[in-house]
Amino acid sequence: DAEITQSPRHKITETGRQVTLACHQTWNHNNMFWYRQDLGHGLRLIHYSYGVHDTNKGEVSDGYSVSRSNTEDLPLTLESAASSQTSVYFCASSPSGGSSYNEQFFGPGTRLTVL
Amino acid sequence: AQKVTQAQTEISVVEKEDVTLDCVYETRDTTYYLFWYKQPPSGELVFLIRRNSFDEQNEISGRYSWNFQKSTSSFNFTITASQVVDSAVYFCALSEAQTGANNLFFGTGTRLTVIP
Repeated sequence: DAEITQSPRHKITETGRQVTLACHQTWNHNNMFWYRQDLGHGLRLIHYSYGVHDTNKGEVSDGYSVSRSNTEDLPLTLESAASSQTSVYFCASSPSGGSSYNEQFFGPGTRLTVL
Repeated sequence: AQKVTQAQTEISVVEKEDVTLDCVYETRDTTYYLFWYKQPPSGELVFLIRRNSFDEQNEISGRYSWNFQKSTSSFNFTITASQVVDSAVYFCALSEAQTGANNLFFGTGTRLTVIP
């Protein structure tokens, strides 16, 4: 079955370290997204991509970067982790068209703690 | 400006009671989409429904129903005869054609607790 996976599921790191969170989907969706979930804020969009080599900034992109070298993967990098980036991170994907247009399918989430 | 408002932060009901989760949205776009997602205690996000701005017909799916009213910019979600398995955080979300119909703006969520 097609799916979307995230790794690691839990990560503890130290302030200032570079961290990369992986996201892999097997639906062949063109669109991929990264969100962070914080209490009182719901989910906020960090970065998104509409296809290979396409990346765009979302609402809370400062301190994060993404790259899209293939359809299946959109890794999220924290260049220099800060305590304010302690959060749960969700990856999502959606098709470009068809009956499920703009319905996003979410991964299981990664809980990141920055000490 | 906040595009999606879920004013109810937490709601508790006794099993078998009906409960309505409120969602008010704000947009200047004439073409937009509204969504509800469920996040159970296990943490994953589960898609429940999508409506587009041109379809105000209410929808019922089993114990779930949705009331879309453009006049009040609301897209409320009702669970009839609630069950313990309905305990979750529920998110309402909006996407707008002019800012990218694939991008979702989420509300802050409503935590529903169903007491057995």
